[in-house]
Amino acid sequence: TQLLEQSPQFLSIQEGENLTVYCNSSSVFSSLQWYRQEPGEGPVLLVTVVTGGEVKKLKRLTFQFGDARKDSSLHITAAQPGDTGLYLCAGGGGSEKLVFGKGTKLTVNP
Amino acid sequence: DAGVIQSPRHEVTEMGQEVTLRCKPISGHDYLFWYRQTMMRGLELLIYFNNNVPIDDSGMPEDRFSAKMPNASFSTLKIQPSEPRDSAVYFCASSSLGETQYFGPGTRLLVL
Repeated sequence: TQLLEQSPQFLSIQEGENLTVYCNSSSVFSSLQWYRQEPGEGPVLLVTVVTGGEVKKLKRLTFQFGDARKDSSLHITAAQPGDTGLYLCAGGGGSEKLVFGKGTKLTVNP
Repeated sequence: DAGVIQSPRHEVTEMGQEVTLRCKPISGHDYLFWYRQTMMRGLELLIYFNNNVPIDDSGMPEDRFSAKMPNASFSTLKIQPSEPRDSAVYFCASSSLGETQYFGPGTRLLVL
């Protein structure tokens, strides 16, 4: 069974701080996706990384896929209260089932 | 365009009762997924369909759970009989050609 471990489980920071959350697995994934989920809503896809070592930027968010395609990180620069939410990573997709981590619950305080 | 629609949004029922959750995928999408989310286990895939045909139901917890997709615009997830441990948020998602999955708002189920 493929498992994705996310850390930290909870993170509470002040507006303007930087942060990094991690997604690790012992399995190789063909691709890895990051989602953000807000209370009372379903997850929304932020980005998909496919190539080992790939780095993608989405405004203040930077996503990196590990060289061995087993891990990924999400870095947020100058966090804002609007970044608050549950960040989920998921491996697989396409013809493969998505396997989700349990998520990092981020709170950005004004 | 409307996104994935789920109903009801909230359901409270008593142990032993039948529960039916409904989903309308995005028009034109050929994949439909049912997930369950709990604090303990996170987001788990229960079953998915391709062109209305169940492809993988290995995530369905037990025989009390069943899912159908009678046509391209409608799917149901049924729990009979329901148990307190079934309490969770159930999500439906759809995608085109197995690419980006779009999630519905979920049904929050509480079994007393």
